[in-house]
Formats: sequence, C-alpha cells, structure tokens
Amino acid sequence: DIQLTQSPSSLSASLGDRVTITCQASHDILTYLNWYQQKLGKAPKLLIHDASELETGVPSRFSGGGSGTHFTLTISSLQSEDVATYYCQQYDRLPRTFGQGTKLEIK
Amino acid sequence: QVQLQESGPGLVKPSETLSLTCSVSGDSITNNYWSWIRQPPGKGLEWIGYVYYTGSTAYNPSLKSRTSISADTSKNQFSLRLTSVTAADTAVYFCARDVGAGGFDIWGQGAMVTVSS
Repeated sequence: DIQLTQSPSSLSASLGDRVTITCQASHDILTYLNWYQQKLGKAPKLLIHDASELETGVPSRFSGGGSGTHFTLTISSLQSEDVATYYCQQYDRLPRTFGQGTKLEIK
Repeated sequence: QVQLQESGPGLVKPSETLSLTCSVSGDSITNNYWSWIRQPPGKGLEWIGYVYYTGSTAYNPSLKSRTSISADTSKNQFSLRLTSVTAADTAVYFCARDVGAGGFDIWGQGAMVTVSS
C-alpha cells in the first residue's frame, strides 16, 4: 500500500495567516493526489483533485501543489470557516489510501 | 443535484454481518465507480472498496476476506456487506461517488454502525 504521511498532525493559526499542510507519499504517485476538508460531524468535501486542480465552488484561497512524493495544501488567508480536519488521498494505486489527517484550529 | 443516502442497521452484534445500502439520486450508477469508506470514532478515513455497475469490484486487502460490494442498477443502489464483525468495525460508514481521477466527489451523510452485544 502507498502510505501518506501528513504534517503537522494539528495546527493552530490566526485569522488571516497563511497555512500550509504537507503530504508525503511513500512512492512516486505523480500528481494522483486529492485533498479533502472534513468539518466536525460532516462528510469530507473534495477541495482539490489531481494535486492542484481546485474543485468548482472552492474558494481561491485554497491551493494545492507538488508532484511525485511531496505535496502541499495552502490556505492563503485563514478564515474562521476553515476550521476542519484536512486529508490527502492518493489514487495512483489500489488500495486508495488517505493521510492520517491534519486538524486545523484558530488560535 | 446528485445525492447519496446510506441506510441500514445502526447496531450489529459481534460475529454477525454488517449490511448497508447506498441509494443514489441525480445520477445513474451506470456512470462512474461507487465506493464505501469508513471512519472509526475520532480516527481517520479508510477506503473499503468500490463497485462498477457491471459488478466489477476492488477491495482494500485489509478487509477483502470479509467484504462484498454489489450494485443494483434497477434500484440505482449499491450495497456493502462486511462479515464477522468485531468492535473494531464500529465506525461511520460513508458511501461516495468515485470518479477515479477526480476522487470522491459526492458523499453520503454517513451511517454510524456500532458493533456490540
């Protein structure tokens, strides 16, 4: 299985801060990586597919980058509604796997 | 718009079989793949497997021996069966549209299943 390791596991930042979450893959997965946002008690929401392609309706303050084994999710200016847990997920090989999650809070 | 809704028992006894159904509206299950994903309380996400309307499936090796996913095109539904459950199978079970390159773009609200006697 391809292992995805996210860092940090939790993060506290101030409103308006630039926030970056990283996802490290155990094998080269090209750009076959997605990012999800999960708010408390809700289903995950797809934010970014193919490493950097923003889903329709997702605010432009979210962006994704990277390829191979190193990927990033960046929020350019943190808003209160961004409080959530973020997961990366690869689809290069079966089984599809997720990172362990990064919990984002407001300082 | 596309909506998915999980249904099934919320309580299953140890060693018995967990069965859930996902009803799809706004899309035909003959399009795309359809996945089950679970999340134990307070933990992360685990992909269980997917089904294509032809019956083609793929499963997570960690659960493969106990898992069966099937599709019913006449009802526009797909289903999950997980046998010989234990407390470790207690989780919220989500169904999701699996667009492969696009990831899991539509999710059900989730169904909490507790394994307990």
